[in-house]
Amino acid sequence: GDSVTQMEGPVTLSEEACLTINCTYTATGYPSLFWYVQYPGEGLQLLLKATKADDKGSNKGFEATYRKETTSFHLEKGSVQVSDSAVYFCALANSGYALNFGKGTSLLVTP
Amino acid sequence: KAGVTQTPRYLIKTRGQQVTLSCSPISGHRSVSWYQQTPGQGLQFLFEYFSETQRNKGNFPGRFSGRQFSNSRSEMNVSTLELGDSALYLCASSQKRTNPVTDTQYFGPGTRLTVL
Repeated sequence: GDSVTQMEGPVTLSEEACLTINCTYTATGYPSLFWYVQYPGEGLQLLLKATKADDKGSNKGFEATYRKETTSFHLEKGSVQVSDSAVYFCALANSGYALNFGKGTSLLVTP
Repeated sequence: KAGVTQTPRYLIKTRGQQVTLSCSPISGHRSVSWYQQTPGQGLQFLFEYFSETQRNKGNFPGRFSGRQFSNSRSEMNVSTLELGDSALYLCASSQKRTNPVTDTQYFGPGTRLTVL
């Protein structure tokens, strides 16, 4: 069946450092890929998405490119801020409305 | 536009009781999905409703059920609560159901259920 694997956290970075959170997937067909972010005590917020191969999603300085050849959708940001501290989830949609999530990666950015 | 709202935000129940959680989707959204989030299992899909009909169901026991009303508001019910049902229950809404693979799901803040 479909699955999403993302790097385990926690990831700790200093402010203004570069961020990469790896995400790979297994799926048949042509899934859509998403990154959601969860701040403490809150629900999930959509960060970005890509619906076909080679699409690049971007939002708030974050980017991710849908790579079908490597089945990956890595999240990147050039300069993180303290306010980016949160848990990041990679997710896949392949049929119906059942999003398939990775385990989440906790990010802590220190001043 | 108001986001997805969920009530109550926190709930404490004891084993064997039942509980009903409520979700109001974004205005104009007609699809509502429910997810369970636990530290051990992560985020798992429960079910999805569209036009008052359950369209998809995850791998959960029959104790978990839901319904959707004509105004798209949704409720989920858990009967005979177990300790393992303690979790954050998230509701998500989508505007259309033209293409489930590409539609975006917008999440509410969740209901934190604690079973003692």
